[in-house]
Amino acid sequence: GQQVMQIPQYQHVQEGEDFTTYCNSSTTLSNIQWYKQRPGGHPVFLIQLVKSGEVKKQKRLTFQFGEAKKNSSLHITATQTTDVGTYFCAALHSGGYQKVTFGIGTKLQVIP
Amino acid sequence: DSGVTQTPKHLITATGQRVTLRCSPRSGDLSVYWYQQSLDQGLQFLIQYYNGEERAKGNILERFSAQQFPDLHSELNLSSLELGDSALYFCASSVGVNPYEQYFGPGTRLTVT
Repeated sequence: GQQVMQIPQYQHVQEGEDFTTYCNSSTTLSNIQWYKQRPGGHPVFLIQLVKSGEVKKQKRLTFQFGEAKKNSSLHITATQTTDVGTYFCAALHSGGYQKVTFGIGTKLQVIP
Repeated sequence: DSGVTQTPKHLITATGQRVTLRCSPRSGDLSVYWYQQSLDQGLQFLIQYYNGEERAKGNILERFSAQQFPDLHSELNLSSLELGDSALYFCASSVGVNPYEQYFGPGTRLTVT
């Protein structure tokens, strides 16, 4: 089936350091979404990217969609303890019915 | 609060039993999705319903089934339960038929003993 690779699976950073998680697909994506799941919580929708090369920002979070629409990244600048959680990408592959595939997630720990 | 409700929050049952999980989508959302999340695992898509009809199937076992009712709430039925079925089950909803911008419920934690 269609898959999306997400790396790294775990990341520990000192508070104030930057953090990036990546999603990669071998096939072209229709769009990609990012979700955050706090420990003990449920996934929360962050953003959706649709256009090739698209860049969107939400405060300290920057989301990018690759030019070939096969990869995406989420970058957090100057992490804070409130950023702790697991970040998932959710990809919709081009062609046919759009069924979403979630990445394995990147679990972010922020050390104060 | 996402507006999606799920009951029950926790469920403990024995192997071989059958359980039903319930989900009410956000007001106005026509699509309901079910996901399974095991320990340290990502979200495995199980099934989607749109306006009462099955729309897409993911990695859903034959022992599992779901339906969406006229009032748009959905139920996920899990039967002949095995230890490996222990997981968090999330329901999500979205406005349209495509899985854009999904809103997740708080989940049901199922423990099979």
